[in-house]
Amino acid sequence: AAGVIQSPRHLIKEKRETATLKCYPIPRHDTVYWYQQGPGQDPQFLISFYEKMQSDKGSIPDRFSAQQFSDYHSELNMSSLELGDSALYFCASSLFAGAAKNIQYFGAGTRLSVL
Amino acid sequence: DAKTTQPNSMESNEEEPVHLPCNHSTISGTDYIHWYRQLPSQGPEYVIHGLTSNVNNRMASLAIAEDRKSSTLILHRATLRDAAVYYCIRSSGTASKLTFGTGTRLQVTL
Repeated sequence: AAGVIQSPRHLIKEKRETATLKCYPIPRHDTVYWYQQGPGQDPQFLISFYEKMQSDKGSIPDRFSAQQFSDYHSELNMSSLELGDSALYFCASSLFAGAAKNIQYFGAGTRLSVL
Repeated sequence: DAKTTQPNSMESNEEEPVHLPCNHSTISGTDYIHWYRQLPSQGPEYVIHGLTSNVNNRMASLAIAEDRKSSTLILHRATLRDAAVYYCIRSSGTASKLTFGTGTRLQVTL
């Protein structure tokens, strides 16, 4: 079965550069989530989209922005990168089935290293 | 924020059952209990979820206390591939985001 696809898998950037992470959800899934996992930490919710509209926002820095496109894929844009942005970034998708019941399927993640 | 409490780590021998506890004493009546796990170097993976009744699927069982203040994830026969961090997550109202706590790191030994 098709899974959530994230690209690139690894990304190396320097401070103050920009980065774009892409996420392709499971076909027919209408909701996309972004999570950040720092070294030795637990995943933290950043932002989500339902039917191409932002549905929830977590602790996402103002330097980051995201959107969901008409084909439901999503991109996380990160500007003015800082060393502290080095982390694993996971995308998850779900088919909205009532907020409390939805099952999220995660991609393998993008490992961002900021030098 | 939705809060759950889990032991930091647990150990199990292979082929034995594992009971992973979770405390969610402030849970509201409409909150679901979700369990996800994260294997090393992988994204989190859904395991099971429930509301009031005990639940079973091919991966695990979920036993929910009658007062819903705690639950237990049961792996019936642990294998080395079950070594992971297990997260007990309480949904919060209409929000569908997952709020990960510290989870329980399960070690499985031969």
